[in-house]
Amino acid sequence: EDQVTQSPEALRLQEGESSSLNCSYTVSGLRGLFWYRQDPGKGPEFLFTLYSAGEEKEKERLKATLTKKESFLHITAPKPEDSATYLCAVHDSNSGYALNFGKGTSLLVTP
Amino acid sequence: GAVVSQHPSWVICKSGTSVKIECRSLDFQATTMFWYRQFPKQSLMLMATSNEGSKATYEQGVEKDKFLINHASLTLSTLTVTSAHPEDSSFYICSARQGGNSPLHFGNGTRLTVT
Repeated sequence: EDQVTQSPEALRLQEGESSSLNCSYTVSGLRGLFWYRQDPGKGPEFLFTLYSAGEEKEKERLKATLTKKESFLHITAPKPEDSATYLCAVHDSNSGYALNFGKGTSLLVTP
Repeated sequence: GAVVSQHPSWVICKSGTSVKIECRSLDFQATTMFWYRQFPKQSLMLMATSNEGSKATYEQGVEKDKFLINHASLTLSTLTVTSAHPEDSSFYICSARQGGNSPLHFGNGTRLTVT
């Protein structure tokens, strides 16, 4: 049973076209939900941690929100350099300190 | 802060040989490090949890005799792929946490190709 499901699998946007990525999760006890950015051939780069429903975090053109069942990563007026794969991961009470990752959303922003 | 360095970034080896990958936390001490494996267009799959001074904990389905993990100090963990075969070709990524509820920070990964 998948614990973390991300959608869409791939997304193509024009520069300046805002959109949202979704991460739905099913865990017994959420300790934290994490968003990472991964560029091709690189390790994931940390973006945000969210701990409780209603929490929001912002960084430049990115804003992450959290409910009891899902998280959204909102991208406002994206630029080509925002093109990457965005990974969602959860830390639950049964997984020690490890994170369970979704498959990611591959974002392409065209000029 | 919280930089994780991984070497080598890529390696090509012949079938039957062994390959060692190093993971270092450069500016913090990490009692626990994690090794992940990633196939193209797939999520990161946890292979094992590396504990400083004790045996690693392997996930179900991961052969501990094939993927040897050593965590000899608070800043270094190594993953050795023994008797590598083409099916072991993958992207291996290590990670570490600075402590408490801080997020995992990842190395830049090692692309292993077994010919």
